[in-house]
Amino acid sequence: KQEVTQIPAALSVPEGENLVLNCSFTDSAIYNLQWFRQDPGKGLTSLLLIQSSQREQTSGRLNASLDKSSGRSTLYIAASQPGDSATYLCASGGDSGGYQKVTFGTGTKLQVIP
Amino acid sequence: DGGITQSPKYLFRKEGQNVTLSCEQNLNHDAMYWYRQDPGQGLRLIYYSQIVNDFQKGDIAEGYSVSREKKESFPLTVTSAQKNPTAFYLCASTTRGQRRTGELFFGEGSRLTVL
Repeated sequence: KQEVTQIPAALSVPEGENLVLNCSFTDSAIYNLQWFRQDPGKGLTSLLLIQSSQREQTSGRLNASLDKSSGRSTLYIAASQPGDSATYLCASGGDSGGYQKVTFGTGTKLQVIP
Repeated sequence: DGGITQSPKYLFRKEGQNVTLSCEQNLNHDAMYWYRQDPGQGLRLIYYSQIVNDFQKGDIAEGYSVSREKKESFPLTVTSAQKNPTAFYLCASTTRGQRRTGELFFGEGSRLTVL
């Protein structure tokens, strides 16, 4: 059974700092890895999707990498801003008896201090 | 704009009542999902559907029921058999069918509180 872990559970950084959020998964047989942002009381917003054949994806100040062999993904946020404060979740997509299954981590709550 | 609409945003229920949460998407996605989110826990899968008129139980299906009569709609009923229904419920959809997961899109969620 796939398990996805995100450490730390919470992170507080000063504005302008570059930071890395970590995601690890136990089963490397994944189809993709997706990073989401969740604001309090809201749904999840997709940030980046990395297919299993890819090593990284970039969108603006965000860069996500994937290393299937080590079971790790990282989300790099450059020049953090107070508006980046949110909970960030990663999710692995894989096969479950012929049907797609997505397994989520519990998230890292990020606070960017002005 | 294309997206996923969940309603109602907030819902209060008395014990013993069934309630239905609505999920509608206009993204032309085949697969739809219902997740439950509790504080300190990851999202847990309740039910999913790959195509119309087909759906499968997820990890925590007990006390819930769904239907998929139309491609656009995937309502979730929380029955009185669900022992601890107070939670945040999220609906999601994706383009891909079996054996491949595409990008997952979410609605804004419905918060259910049992009084």
